[in-house]
Amino acid sequence: DAKTTQPNSMESNEEEPVHLPCNHSTISGTDYIHWYRQLPSQGPEYVIHGLTSNVNNRMASLAIAEDRKSSTLILHRATLRDAAVYYCILGGAGGTSYGKLTFGQGTILTVHP
Amino acid sequence: EADIYQTPRYLVIGTGKKITLECSQTMGHDKMYWYQQDPGMELHLIHYSYGVNSTEKGDLSSESTVSRIRTEHFPLTLESARPSHTSQYLCASSLAGTVAYNEQFFGPGTRLTVL
Repeated sequence: DAKTTQPNSMESNEEEPVHLPCNHSTISGTDYIHWYRQLPSQGPEYVIHGLTSNVNNRMASLAIAEDRKSSTLILHRATLRDAAVYYCILGGAGGTSYGKLTFGQGTILTVHP
Repeated sequence: EADIYQTPRYLVIGTGKKITLECSQTMGHDKMYWYQQDPGMELHLIHYSYGVNSTEKGDLSSESTVSRIRTEHFPLTLESARPSHTSQYLCASSLAGTVAYNEQFFGPGTRLTVL
């Protein structure tokens, strides 16, 4: 499986934008880029996913580099509730990897009041 | 809100006991998964199922077993619990939708402590 590289931790102030980077230089043409987050003492929750084009939803935006070797999750205005571990995951399509997610270490986001 | 439930939320049990961790979802999802996560560590997939009567081992070897007799139910069993089984166990489910659509919905987890 293609791997991702994320910073171990990042910090932000409340109501400021946060840009969480992810490198995936060995991404294959069929890999989607998925982001999940895990709030303290909870199971992970889906944030956003994309293939080639930038994506927006109510939670965040996903900016994907033109060569797809990196991506950035953007939280437009961080709140204290956004403090979590953020996972960048490549999701394969088809075959035995279909539907399976491989979680890495993720980025621990701390939001200061 | 995801409709996926896990019971118990916390379990403290002695070595050698048989335990079953329950996971149920009301979303009609075909795919279900079990992950294991030690404190501050990564999630590791230990079991998954693509539907009724389908179960597969995950990426991390586990002494636990699973069954999928009903779509909505995916219990995990440890025949003889040991302290090394102490961990958090997270259940998840997803639709069998489009080829690349695999958003997973997670339950709250069961924190297991084996003394």
